[in-house]
Amino acid sequence: DAGVTQSPTHLIKTRGQHVTLRCSPISGHKSVSWYQQVLGQGPQFIFQYYEKEERGRGNFPDRFSARQFPNYSSELNVNALLLGDSALYLCASSGGLAPAYEQYFGPGTRLTVT
Amino acid sequence: EDQVTQSPEALRLQEGESSSLNCSYTVSGLRGLFWYRQDPGKGPEFLFTLYSAGEEKEKERLKATLTKKESFLHITAPKPEDSATYLCAVENQAGTALIFGKGTTLSVSS
Repeated sequence: DAGVTQSPTHLIKTRGQHVTLRCSPISGHKSVSWYQQVLGQGPQFIFQYYEKEERGRGNFPDRFSARQFPNYSSELNVNALLLGDSALYLCASSGGLAPAYEQYFGPGTRLTVT
Repeated sequence: EDQVTQSPEALRLQEGESSSLNCSYTVSGLRGLFWYRQDPGKGPEFLFTLYSAGEEKEKERLKATLTKKESFLHITAPKPEDSATYLCAVENQAGTALIFGKGTTLSVSS
């Protein structure tokens, strides 16, 4: 069975540009969460979507937005990129809402902002 | 404020030398504590979920335990392939997010 997939694998952008990251959850999973992981730190929560509705939002500026589609895939959008947005962006899916359901992570998208 | 602290930050072991990793947490009403393994440049790989104090789970050379204030990941007779960063996380109060520690980077040499 395919796990969580993310695209692209790597991305290089310039300050001020916009970026869209994509995620496909495990088949049958309805919840998708996004995390940002900078080098040497644990992942930090950005958004959670369940059944196409935003269920949670972390402490990130409004430049970050996301949505979930009818097939449960998801996009993370970041506007007006800053150097500090350089990180590994992780998508996680689960079969339902916590606490009964574990989150399974994809391989991540490595974003570099120059 | 929900918080997770992991220690040590880094741990070097010889193959076969057993040890433990610590995860201390502060959360209002624990809903679940999670252990993940992460290899460099990759996404975290799910290992265990613990829900209540006294609970234990095992997988190969790994055993996770939980008390009311902390969790331990015990590694018995580690092998070089166990080298990775081990992340601990708890669910936030709203049940919408995982709060991660910074991780413990384990290096096992033969």
